Amino acid sequence: EMQLVESGGGSVQPGGSLRLACVASGFSFNWQTMSWVRQAPGGGLEWVAKMKEDGSDVSYVDSVKGRFTISRDNARNSLFLQMNNLKVEDTAMYYCVKGGGGCCFDYWGRGTLVTVSS
Amino acid sequence: QSALTQPASVSASPGQSIAISCIGTSSDLGSYDLVSWYQQYPGKAPKLMIYEASKRPSGVSARFSGSKSGNTASLTITGLQAEDEADYYCCSYSHGNIWVFGGGTKLTVL
Repeated sequence: EMQLVESGGGSVQPGGSLRLACVASGFSFNWQTMSWVRQAPGGGLEWVAKMKEDGSDVSYVDSVKGRFTISRDNARNSLFLQMNNLKVEDTAMYYCVKGGGGCCFDYWGRGTLVTVSS
Repeated sequence: QSALTQPASVSASPGQSIAISCIGTSSDLGSYDLVSWYQQYPGKAPKLMIYEASKRPSGVSARFSGSKSGNTASLTITGLQAEDEADYYCCSYSHGNIWVFGGGTKLTVL
């Protein structure tokens, strides 16, 4: 059974940092483009970042460029999102998602909540 | 990187059909057929319902269908059921190697 399990969310003050992690199982992680998608409380979905299976083809939404870094460790079936200089508007549920290399986002984790507040 | 435009809400009675529109630009829907639709229940993760404009993943009911023409995509649900009440989001690949989502549509089954 396919699984994506996120961790690392929490509460942080503006300007702070968090590192999200996602562990994948049930599919060939090292063959898949992976993405992060977020959803502000009561809001819609927003794609954040993606990375191809070999670490190439990295892309970000404009609002996080220079602050967020996506990475992966295929040996550990893991995807990461380093978030620096966090802003109040980064408050959201962050989903680890299989896909973003073409087609679509075909499997989603349950998410990890990030709250940025003073 | 503007979001795609969807109606905020639609409603219909059980058994009826509805269509949810998703309007983009020449940078996204007008350039690529990589449009997908997602269903999301409150407090749950989204689920892929349609991909590449009109293809249905295994396990998704045939009552769900998708289409695209120019800068506009549509999700149609026929034979509405109470369990279809959810939020629906469209998504498209866009110039600049990015993905954009619509603002979401809340479907109410009366």
